[in-house]
Amino acid sequence: DQQVKQNSPSLSVQEGRISILNCDYTNSMFDYFLWYKKYPAEGPTFLISISSIKDKNEDGRFTVFLNKSAKHLSLHIVPSQPGDSAVYFCAASGMGGADGLTFGKGTHLIIQP
Amino acid sequence: DAGVIQSPRHEVTEMGQEVTLRCKPISGHDYLFWYRQTMMRGLELLIYFNNNVPIDDSGMPEDRFSAKMPNASFSTLKIQPSEPRDSAVYFCASRGFQVQYFGPGTRLTVT
Repeated sequence: DQQVKQNSPSLSVQEGRISILNCDYTNSMFDYFLWYKKYPAEGPTFLISISSIKDKNEDGRFTVFLNKSAKHLSLHIVPSQPGDSAVYFCAASGMGGADGLTFGKGTHLIIQP
Repeated sequence: DAGVIQSPRHEVTEMGQEVTLRCKPISGHDYLFWYRQTMMRGLELLIYFNNNVPIDDSGMPEDRFSAKMPNASFSTLKIQPSEPRDSAVYFCASRGFQVQYFGPGTRLTVT
């Protein structure tokens, strides 16, 4: 049973437009959420995180939104750039991030020129 | 800062052989995690340590898998004997202030 779901295996967006990646979770014990970006043959790289006490966190072009009642989070990238093409993983943790991470299956984002 | 270091980057071995994967966490991080990535199951947690002590090994698939952390700067994941279904990319991560930082991974192929 997948506790973290990313229902879009791939997403294609034009350069300069907004990219929106979605993630749903089922475990109410999750209280810390992270987004990672992964290039082929490399490890996941941390992008941005959000605690369950917040509903939004921004870092430059990246914004994460959390809707606890819907158990849904999303990552917005504005504007999208060619270097953003990668696989994006949503991850969740309990205990304020001290626990191991539960990952979604990832969304392959393709930025088209 | 060199980041999390893993070795080897690639390992090809025959079924039945012992395999040892190595990890050096970021200095000062007190949590270390081992994950495995496969096409079927995605990224999954195998085991994690806090201050060199194993905290949760419920993700370790079988007794053939074992992990140790003899000191704060080194951990190993051992598979003995290895099987073709163990073929995957194995990642090590260490945690600093709520964020886990991943190494480049070891791609293991068991033939």
